[in-house]
Amino acid sequence: QKEVEQDPGPLSVPEGAIVSLNCTYSNSAFQYFMWYRQYSRKGPELLMYTYSSGNKEDGRFTAQVDKSSKYISLFIRDSQPSDSATYLCAMKDPGGYQKVTFGTGTKLQVIP
Amino acid sequence: DTEVTQTPKHLVMGMTNKKSLKCEQHMGHRAMYWYKQKAKKPPELMFVYSYEKLSINESVPSRFSPECPNSSLLNLHLHALQPEDSALYLCASSQGTRNEQFFGPGTRLTVL
Repeated sequence: QKEVEQDPGPLSVPEGAIVSLNCTYSNSAFQYFMWYRQYSRKGPELLMYTYSSGNKEDGRFTAQVDKSSKYISLFIRDSQPSDSATYLCAMKDPGGYQKVTFGTGTKLQVIP
Repeated sequence: DTEVTQTPKHLVMGMTNKKSLKCEQHMGHRAMYWYKQKAKKPPELMFVYSYEKLSINESVPSRFSPECPNSSLLNLHLHALQPEDSALYLCASSQGTRNEQFFGPGTRLTVL
């Protein structure tokens, strides 16, 4: 079993839809959670960072962490064609020095 | 300035060539990273430098040689690479225990 599981997609949605992207993890030591957006042939861009259970909102993006279920989500409201990219979840435990564990990424396509 | 820059953007080299990839950040981050990313896969950690000292080497073959000349610069020296080393090479930097990693745009390497 991988430490972090993420559905690879692809996920296709119409413009304006609410998108839900999810990751599950097995290591209860993970405390810091990140979401990255990666456009084709570009470097990952940090979208959201959370370190506690609950929700964190930034514009159209909401990150949700449920540590009891070992489950994190990224919601995108009013999705736009420019949101079409691969979304990677990433997480770290405080004792894990500088290593971050990435999910495999979910490819999202927003259809105009 | 929240940018990590990488040069060159693209590199094609033969198996007998010697080349170098360069990375620069001016965010005052004291940890810098090299990752390798194959198509449709998450980034794979290669090396971590912390305070200009190599702190993690993920059993990377010796044909890859990292160097950190100062706190803002990171190099990756390449020699006698194999075609399977063709990939997107990403540099990242971070600060503190939160370990939010900021990535550069990457160098797309092709080994012939």
